[in-house]
Amino acid sequence: EIQLAESGGGLVQPGGSLRLSCAASGFTFSSYSMYWVRQAPGKGLEWISSISGDDYYIYYADSVRGRFTISRDNTKQSVYLQMHSLRADDTAVYYCTRDLTVRGGGFDPWGQGTLVTVSS
Amino acid sequence: DIQMTQSPSSVSASVGDRVIITCRASQGISSTLDWYQQKPGEAPKLLIYGASTLQSGVPSRFSGDGSGTDFTLTISSLQPEDFATYYCQQAHGFPLTFGGGTKVEIK
Repeated sequence: EIQLAESGGGLVQPGGSLRLSCAASGFTFSSYSMYWVRQAPGKGLEWISSISGDDYYIYYADSVRGRFTISRDNTKQSVYLQMHSLRADDTAVYYCTRDLTVRGGGFDPWGQGTLVTVSS
Repeated sequence: DIQMTQSPSSVSASVGDRVIITCRASQGISSTLDWYQQKPGEAPKLLIYGASTLQSGVPSRFSGDGSGTDFTLTISSLQPEDFATYYCQQAHGFPLTFGGGTKVEIK
């Protein structure tokens, strides 16, 4: 069974840092681009970052560029999101997901999400 | 950036109704459009990809259509488990962008 499981969320003060992890299982991890998508409380979905299977291609949303860094470790079948200079508007559930197939096809599956709360 | 505009933002419907949700892209995106369903407290679920291909396991009452800038998600006969929020998302280019969502509520 293909599974994604995020961890690392929690309460952090404004200006602080946090590192999210997403552990993958059930598929050839290195063949897939991986993505982080977040959802602020009561709001819609926002794509924030992507990394290709060989980590050659990396993209960020303007809202996080320069503050967040995506990385992956194919030997550990994990993708990470290092977050710095956190702000109140970064408060959200952060989801890890991947393409349906190695050629694309929508995001599937998704992890259960991990909540990041930025507050003093 | 490609803006995705969904309408309506919410719709009240009854079981058995036909519901149509539209999604418009600010520029042409060919058929690189996906649809998701999200229920409260749950992660999104992929319904349709490539504008019209039904994801495995998704009931056939869901269908997608469109290309270029205008797309639709149709639920042919609304079922109790379909009450949720639906999002479109363009996969044409980065930054990837989602529509604002359409909440389907019980009438």
